Amino acid sequence: AQSVTQPDIHITVSEGASLELRCNYSYGATPYLFWYVQSPGQGLQLLLKYFSGDTLVQGIKGFEAEFKRSQSSFNLRKPSVHWSDAAEYFCAVGAGSGGYQKVTFGIGTKLQVIP
Amino acid sequence: DAGVTQSPTHLIKTRGQQVTLRCSPKSGHDTVSWYQQALGQGPQFIFQYYEEEERQRGNFPDRFSGHQFPNYSSELNVNALLLGDSALYLCASSAFGSPDREQYFGPGTRLTVT
Repeated sequence: AQSVTQPDIHITVSEGASLELRCNYSYGATPYLFWYVQSPGQGLQLLLKYFSGDTLVQGIKGFEAEFKRSQSSFNLRKPSVHWSDAAEYFCAVGAGSGGYQKVTFGIGTKLQVIP
Repeated sequence: DAGVTQSPTHLIKTRGQQVTLRCSPKSGHDTVSWYQQALGQGPQFIFQYYEEEERQRGNFPDRFSGHQFPNYSSELNVNALLLGDSALYLCASSAFGSPDREQYFGPGTRLTVT
């Protein structure tokens, strides 16, 4: 069964600083990988995804992530954080066959942005 | 495009009662998945429906059941509610067999069990 580890429960960064959120996954085959963002009381918005091809993927809001198979990682990065980026971020891995997919989420990383 | 819609937004129930939550998928999508997100946790997969049948299921008891209608909308039913069922219930829709397997999430239904 697949699993996702987000080792940082809470991260605080200054506005304008760079950001890296860590994600490690466990899955036997080539995974489908996702990063979602959730604002308080809201649903999930997809930031970016990887399922094949270039291992560096670009997403919305200036985010990018790099798939590293050797490290089973899919870390999310942003070069300069804005106050509006404060939210909770979830890494997820999708697995399945025949068109069906079960998505497993990590526990989430809560990002606080300070002036 | 209305995206994924869920109803109701909030719900308060008493232990032992039954509840039904509803979801309408994004236009063009035919697959619906349900997730439970407890406070401070990531979403947990409950089950997935396609062609009106449950296709995959997570580690949830039989008290959790669902249905998908011919128009692809879906219901999540929870019987004999427990305090621990209090959570945000998220519905996600997708197009079966899409290459990237992307799921679009609704805003959720906040269920409180007292």
